[in-house]
Amino acid sequence: GQQLNQSPQSMFIQEGEDVSMNCTSSSIFNTWLWYKQDPGEGPVLLIALYKAGELTSNGRLTAQFGITRKDSFLNISASIPSDVGIYFCAGRNTGTASKLTFGTGTRLQVTL
Amino acid sequence: DAGITQSPRHKVTETGTPVTLRCHQTENHRYMYWYRQDPGHGLRLIHYSYGVKDTDKGEVSDGYSVSRSKTEDFLLTLESATSSQTSVYFCAISDRLAGGLSYEQYFGPGTRLTVT
Repeated sequence: GQQLNQSPQSMFIQEGEDVSMNCTSSSIFNTWLWYKQDPGEGPVLLIALYKAGELTSNGRLTAQFGITRKDSFLNISASIPSDVGIYFCAGRNTGTASKLTFGTGTRLQVTL
Repeated sequence: DAGITQSPRHKVTETGTPVTLRCHQTENHRYMYWYRQDPGHGLRLIHYSYGVKDTDKGEVSDGYSVSRSKTEDFLLTLESATSSQTSVYFCAISDRLAGGLSYEQYFGPGTRLTVT
């Protein structure tokens, strides 16, 4: 089955730094989602994007729906220790019973 | 947090035994999903349901069956567990948002299954 490619696979950054990660697909999606997963828990929805070119923020997080509809980007500004976790992108198309295709994840570690 | 519980949260079983995992929701959402999560593969869809008694296969459905006799419960059964089914299993729910066209999935806490 198709999977989305996320990069980087892992990041080790210092507190206060900005973080960027991206997600690419060989096919287009009508919706892009970003989830965060903490150890031992299920993924939690961070941001949803519904329109090509759309830029959406949620606190320190900003995500963009790529104009080609084949990619999406997530930025975290001024990282803090609780940003540690795995970030997943997911794509969805209309009329697919809300089925999602997930990326392989970006593991973020933040040092003081 | 969405009202989703999974049981059991941890299970160790032997190869060849049947195993059933339960997902329970209190949100009255129409859609329910079972995923497995393995290192290097992210989350992969096993089966999903779009209503009571209405289910369909995902991308990794071999060796798994599901049932949904009530809106709130979605069961995942491994008829004869194998070591390759050792994984973390997540349930998710979604529904159409009021006044909108979007569906968003919310996840349960997961079940860690080990098949020895």
